[in-house]
Amino acid sequence: QLVLTQSPSASASLGASVKLTCTLSSGHSSYAIAWHQQQPEKGPRYLMKVNSDGTHIKGDGIPDRFSGSSSGAERYLTISSLQSEDEADYYCQAWGTGIRVFGTGTKVTVL
Amino acid sequence: EVQLVQSGAEVKKPGESLKISCQGSGYRFTSYWIGWVRQMPGKGLEWMAIIYPGDSGTRYSPSFQGQVTISADKSISTAYLQWSSLKASDTAMYYCARGGYCSGGTCYGEIDQWGQGTLVTVSS
Repeated sequence: QLVLTQSPSASASLGASVKLTCTLSSGHSSYAIAWHQQQPEKGPRYLMKVNSDGTHIKGDGIPDRFSGSSSGAERYLTISSLQSEDEADYYCQAWGTGIRVFGTGTKVTVL
Repeated sequence: EVQLVQSGAEVKKPGESLKISCQGSGYRFTSYWIGWVRQMPGKGLEWMAIIYPGDSGTRYSPSFQGQVTISADKSISTAYLQWSSLKASDTAMYYCARGGYCSGGTCYGEIDQWGQGTLVTVSS
């Protein structure tokens, strides 16, 4: 069964970096995932797709300080030079034949 | 510019029926999966169902199978989500999302575009 695991929360200071992790369940380590951002009281926004080889493809207008990478069954989202507007929930999303799956989300707090 | 525009907020009573819509523009509607995602108050994102407008093929999350119906009218590039008998527990924000495509024999399922959301409130 395809399951995505995320830590519930992360925090970092304004201007610092934070790295979020999304872990794919056993048997799914070759899967790509997508990252989405949801700012308070707003709808989700697509950030990027991260492949198993670590390459990533960002959505239109996504700032350079957002990047993706991979290691084994883990997919990462790194936010550099944290801004106040980066305080949000971040969800990873994967897919299989006929299914879509979301992680439980990580709440990022900018200190 | 790719856009998904959803219908407006709804307030309904338990037992009533409802159909909400999502119109796509700026891309070939029949070539991408389009689906619905639920977000209950204060909770995370839950995938509900997807449809491929090109052949009307549908897939449902087991959690929502039998509870809702997804459909699409490709002539007007619009997807729908409907309930036959609403419950108070259906109160949530519902997002439509463009959810993947197939190319060269490989299918990709990343959601890369979201609608603005439709708030559904079910209360007696």
